[in-house]
Amino acid sequence: QQQVKQSPQSLIVQKGGIPIINCAYENTAFDYFPWYQQFPGKGPALLIAIRPDVSEKKEGRFTISFNKSAKQFSLHIMDSQPGDSATYFCAASIGGTSYGKLTFGQGTILTVHP
Amino acid sequence: NAGVTQTPKFQVLKTGQSMTLQCAQDMNHEYMSWYRQDPGMGLRLIHYSVGAGITDQGEVPNGYNVSRSTTEDFPLRLLSAAPSQTSVYFCASRLGTSGNYEQYFGPGTRLTVT
Repeated sequence: QQQVKQSPQSLIVQKGGIPIINCAYENTAFDYFPWYQQFPGKGPALLIAIRPDVSEKKEGRFTISFNKSAKQFSLHIMDSQPGDSATYFCAASIGGTSYGKLTFGQGTILTVHP
Repeated sequence: NAGVTQTPKFQVLKTGQSMTLQCAQDMNHEYMSWYRQDPGMGLRLIHYSVGAGITDQGEVPNGYNVSRSTTEDFPLRLLSAAPSQTSVYFCASRLGTSGNYEQYFGPGTRLTVT
């Protein structure tokens, strides 16, 4: 049972484009939604995260949009660069006594062409 | 700080062999966890620990054992390796056991079971 569904599986854009990666979740108890970036041969690293009490969060060229009623959230990368080419994972967790165990989406392989 | 370190980086096992994947962190983090990453499935939680002497099962614990005798170390043991355990394994740690602290991932161990 996949509690967090991520799409698309892969994405190719030109430099300067705005790739959008979407995630949908089922468990309404989730209260923390991070995005991780992973380069080949490396472990995932936190990129940006949001809580459900806000609808949007921006950090540099990365923006999370959050729709609580639809149980969906998405990552937008503005002015994408070849260096953004990586695998992106959305995740969700429940705080408090669930110790923040992360449930990950399936991942999106992003390629940004020069 | 070295952060989260994992050894070995690569390992090939024959079916039925046993081995231990090592994980250490030098950030005095309470919470440590093990994930496996498989294509198209994201990362899935195997086991986690909220402190020395305390461990619990995650989403896919079968075939794996863990123990946590110190705050720094959290080894993952495969008692009798199976081809289905071919995967990339990531150890992660975070400061607190409740609330939404960032999780830091190690560089991973790529395991092949033949």
